[in-house]
Amino acid sequence: GEDVEQSLFLSVREGDSSVINCTYTDSSSTYLYWYKQEPGAGLQLLTYIFSNMDMKQDQRLTVLLNKKDKHLSLRIADTQTGDSAIYFCAEGSKGGGNKLTFGTGTQLKVEL
Amino acid sequence: SQTIHQWPATLVQPVGSPLSLECTVEGTSNPNLYWYRQAAGRGLQLLFYSVGIGQISSEVPQNLSASRPQDRQFILSSKKLLLSDSGFYLCAWTDRTGIFTFGSGTRLTVV
Repeated sequence: GEDVEQSLFLSVREGDSSVINCTYTDSSSTYLYWYKQEPGAGLQLLTYIFSNMDMKQDQRLTVLLNKKDKHLSLRIADTQTGDSAIYFCAEGSKGGGNKLTFGTGTQLKVEL
Repeated sequence: SQTIHQWPATLVQPVGSPLSLECTVEGTSNPNLYWYRQAAGRGLQLLFYSVGIGQISSEVPQNLSASRPQDRQFILSSKKLLLSDSGFYLCAWTDRTGIFTFGSGTRLTVV
C-alpha cells in the first residue's frame, strides 16, 4: 500500500529558510500536496505539484520533486513566526476515488 | 466559488451515545467526499469516501458509518460511541481536478 514519511520536528530561526522533506512509495501518484495545520485548526492547502513536474514556486514556497527517488521537499524562504505549524505531505492517486494518503506531519518551530 | 461546511466545530459526548457529524459542499456538483480522522498526535486516517449518492467505501473497520443522502452532503454517524472514537474529524471534497479541499474539522471528545 501507499506510505508517506516525514521527519517529526524541525526548528529554525526567524529569517532562515526551512526545508521540510517527505518520501513516498506510490509510483502512480498523480498529485503531491503540502498542507499546513495550525493548532486546533483544519488543514490549509499550501501548494501542490503534479507528478510530471520537477519544481513549483509560489511566493516564499518552493516545492521540489525527485520522481526517481520519490522525494518531495517544501522550502519556506524567510521563515516567520507565523509559519510555526504542522506541515503535512500527502500523495494522491486516482485509484478508487482519488484517495489522499498523508505523512505523519512535521512540526515546524520558528525561534526568534 | 466552492466552499465546504462542517459542523459542529466541537462536540463532547458520553460513551454509548449516538453521533452525527455533517458536511456539506457548495458550488460544485458530483464531488468525491471524504471523512478523515486525526487521532491524538498527528496521523490522518481515511475513514470513508464516496464517489456518488448512496455510494460509500469504508477504509478501516470501525464503530462508525457514513451516508451520503444528497449529492453534496456527507454524514458520519455512530450508534454507540466508544472512548477510542475521540479525535479530530475532517471532511474533504475533490472534483475532476483531483485537488482536495478540507473543512475546518470537528473535535470530538468522548467522555
